[in-house]
Amino acid sequence: AAGVIQSPRHLIKEKRETATLKCYPIPRHDTVYWYQQGPGQDPQFLISFYEKMQSDKGSIPDRFSAQQFSDYHSELNMSSLELGDSALYFCASSLETGGSLNEQFFGPGTRLTVL
Amino acid sequence: DQQVKQNSPSLSVQEGRISILNCDYTNSMFDYFLWYKKYPAEGPTFLISISSIKDKNEDGRFTVFLNKSAKHLSLHIVPSQPGDSAVYFCAASEIQGAQKLVFGQGTRLTINP
Repeated sequence: AAGVIQSPRHLIKEKRETATLKCYPIPRHDTVYWYQQGPGQDPQFLISFYEKMQSDKGSIPDRFSAQQFSDYHSELNMSSLELGDSALYFCASSLETGGSLNEQFFGPGTRLTVL
Repeated sequence: DQQVKQNSPSLSVQEGRISILNCDYTNSMFDYFLWYKKYPAEGPTFLISISSIKDKNEDGRFTVFLNKSAKHLSLHIVPSQPGDSAVYFCAASEIQGAQKLVFGQGTRLTINP
């Protein structure tokens, strides 16, 4: 079965550079979530989109922005990178069917290293 | 403020025995709970979930129990197998549907042969 695809899997950037992470949800899933997992920490919610509209926002820095496109894929744009941005970035997708249990399915993650 | 807590960072269990992973939460608005399993270099894999209207949900070797009054849930794996060795995350959301998940810190489960 098709899973959530994230690219790239690994990314190395210098401080103050920009990075773009991509997420392709499971086919027919209409909701995308982004999470950040620092070393030894639990995943922290950043932002989510439902039907191309931002549906919720968590602890996402102002330097980061994201969007969901018409084909439901999403991109997380990160600017003015800092050392503390080094983390695993997970994308998850789910199907919003209203009132039913919706599990979130996670991609393999993008490991961002800022030097 | 850790709203979802897994107080045991690690757990070691003999193969064939029962593994019990615990999770506590503080936000009384949470009413949907999930367990995820994570291997190194992979994303979390969904295992099992439970809604607050239930106190038990079973799927094969995995059973999740929810005690709403104690704000506590647990994952039972029986019998435990070596392939179950991984980090297990408890997660919660406020209502069903497209809601963000709040994760616990994870418990590293090791199944010994």
